Amino acid sequence: NAGVTQTPKFRVLKTGQSMTLLCAQDMNHEYMYWYRQDPGMGLRLIHYSVGEGTTAKGEVPDGYNVSRLKKQNFLLGLESAAPSQTSVYFCASSSGQGTDTQYFGPGTRLTVL
Amino acid sequence: GQQLNQSPQSMFIQEGEDVSMNCTSSSIFNTWLWYKQDPGEGPVLLIALYKAGELTSNGRLTAQFGITRKDSFLNISASIPSDVGIYVCAGQLSGNNNDMRFGAGTRLTVKP
Repeated sequence: NAGVTQTPKFRVLKTGQSMTLLCAQDMNHEYMYWYRQDPGMGLRLIHYSVGEGTTAKGEVPDGYNVSRLKKQNFLLGLESAAPSQTSVYFCASSSGQGTDTQYFGPGTRLTVL
Repeated sequence: GQQLNQSPQSMFIQEGEDVSMNCTSSSIFNTWLWYKQDPGEGPVLLIALYKAGELTSNGRLTAQFGITRKDSFLNISASIPSDVGIYVCAGQLSGNNNDMRFGAGTRLTVKP
């Protein structure tokens, strides 16, 4: 089992460019999450999904879109990147919504110039 | 939003020493969680606490869910070099993973 994988590991964008971050999990988990982690701050939830074909907004959703076309994949899109979106992005998955353990990916470090 | 304050921000200790760190908030949480995050990796769950006053151990790690439900503590006994990393606390406001708040972490350095 690879667990949760993220692609790419690093990316540099110019302001206004778009990109998609891919998260994949092989644990047959129903729930998937996208977080961002900034220096001096805790992880903040961007969007999450409670199952294939469903998405919902988290704490900081502005400027991001997501899609969950397949159960094992959760995509995070930036349509027009801004310097404020420079961050480390983590994907996570869990089997259920309650207190089930979240398994995190290794992160994607994104820099927007 | 509801913030979690972790302290200390960083600690430098000698191998073999015990370590204590804590997480506080002005909000009440239903669940407290402690993670360890290594450089270039995502957080890995160490301990989960579900009831006020609960004390739970995982090897040399012991964590407590504060009676007020607004704080939690993590202790590491007899530290070893592989304990190095960032320890992150998290609280669930409503018992759901989509309603969690994370602390900024305590960076632990262990000198051999």
